[in-house]
Amino acid sequence: GAGVSQSPRYKVAKRGRDVALRCDSISGHVTLYWYRQTLGQGSEVLTYSQSDAQRDKSGRPSGRFSAERPERSVSTLKIQRTEQGDSAVYLCASSQGLSYEQYFGPGTRLTVT
Amino acid sequence: DAKTTQPNSMESNEEEPVHLPCNHSTISGTDYIHWYRQLPSQGPEYVIHGLTSNVNNRMASLAIAEDRKSSTLILHRATLRDAAVYYCILRRYNNNDMRFGAGTRLTVKP
Repeated sequence: GAGVSQSPRYKVAKRGRDVALRCDSISGHVTLYWYRQTLGQGSEVLTYSQSDAQRDKSGRPSGRFSAERPERSVSTLKIQRTEQGDSAVYLCASSQGLSYEQYFGPGTRLTVT
Repeated sequence: DAKTTQPNSMESNEEEPVHLPCNHSTISGTDYIHWYRQLPSQGPEYVIHGLTSNVNNRMASLAIAEDRKSSTLILHRATLRDAAVYYCILRRYNNNDMRFGAGTRLTVKP
């Protein structure tokens, strides 16, 4: 069966521009997560949403990050006014619900120049 | 958040068992111990998780110390495809904040 997919796999953006990263999760999964992974700092959850919501939680590390969920199995992570420190791999994951194991996509490598 | 400590790297020979340790001395009673691994150019992959009792699945076994302050992920017969970074993570029940540290980079030699 299809796993979690992400697009694009690589993205280069000029500092100050907005970017949108897409995630297609596993059909039937309720919870969808976005992580940021950097060398030396590991991975942390940026935001997550549950079944019926286009809402997102946390918005860490600042309000520049938000996620939309136009369909149950699709999410878009939006980063406004990108900064060089936003260069990282952005991982999407989905799960059947809270506390269930998470299934990750391959990630999108974002480079901000 | 309770933290975990893992060795930076380990080596194993193919077909031999591998024991990957993890220390979590500040674990709380509601923290589950999760293990994920990440192969090169891929996202993390769930391996196993447990609370108090030892756990087995088709991928690995998880041995949890009686005081829960440490655990060991056991790969019974390492293959070249098991070469990856292995992450030990504490996750509170119903908490979505799962943080990956540096993990242990496992190298498997033929």
